[in-house]
Amino acid sequence: QKEVEQNSGPLSVPEGAIASLNCTYSDRGSQSFFWYRQYSGKSPELIMSIYSNGDKEDGRFTAQLNKASQYVSLLIRDSQPSDSATYLCAALRRKTSYDKVIFGPGTSLSVIP
Amino acid sequence: GAGVSQSPSNKVTEKGKDVELRCDPISGHTALYWYRQSLGQGLEFLIYFQGNSAPDKSGLPSDRFSAERTGGSVSTLTIQRTQQEDSAVYLCASSLQEGGEQYFGPGTRLTVT
Repeated sequence: QKEVEQNSGPLSVPEGAIASLNCTYSDRGSQSFFWYRQYSGKSPELIMSIYSNGDKEDGRFTAQLNKASQYVSLLIRDSQPSDSATYLCAALRRKTSYDKVIFGPGTSLSVIP
Repeated sequence: GAGVSQSPSNKVTEKGKDVELRCDPISGHTALYWYRQSLGQGLEFLIYFQGNSAPDKSGLPSDRFSAERTGGSVSTLTIQRTQQEDSAVYLCASSLQEGGEQYFGPGTRLTVT
């Protein structure tokens, strides 16, 4: 079992719709979670971080965390073609010697005009 | 302020040659990470530096790969006797503290001919 799992997609949504990206993690002790966006040929850029159960909103983006279910999601409202990218989920794995951020494989999102 | 910088942006080398890739993290960031990303693939963790602690080298694929971080700032990733399978984009990221939000550089595209 991979530590951070995502549906590889591609996920296609029409322009203006809500895109829902899902991520599960295996380390129940994980405390911090991150969403990154990566355009083709570019490096990942941080969208949001979330640390507590519940929702966190930033503009058109909402991150949702459910630690009991070990589940993180990212909702993109009013999706635009410019949102077409690969979205990476990451979780902080805590160990006695060091902490380490583990990235999922990413979900490819395509927003259709 | 200035982000993470990497040099060179592109490197073409012949099989068997050694290469050095450089990363200059955001000023004040104590943690520095190296990743590799092959075309169409996810991020592959290579090595992680945190302050003055011993680095986490668990992701280095072979003993041809090494990295150092001088003075807690600039890092160099060295690949000896390059092979064609080393061709990829090498990404560097830094974070303010261990396990924090990571900010990526633009990457170095390495092509081994």
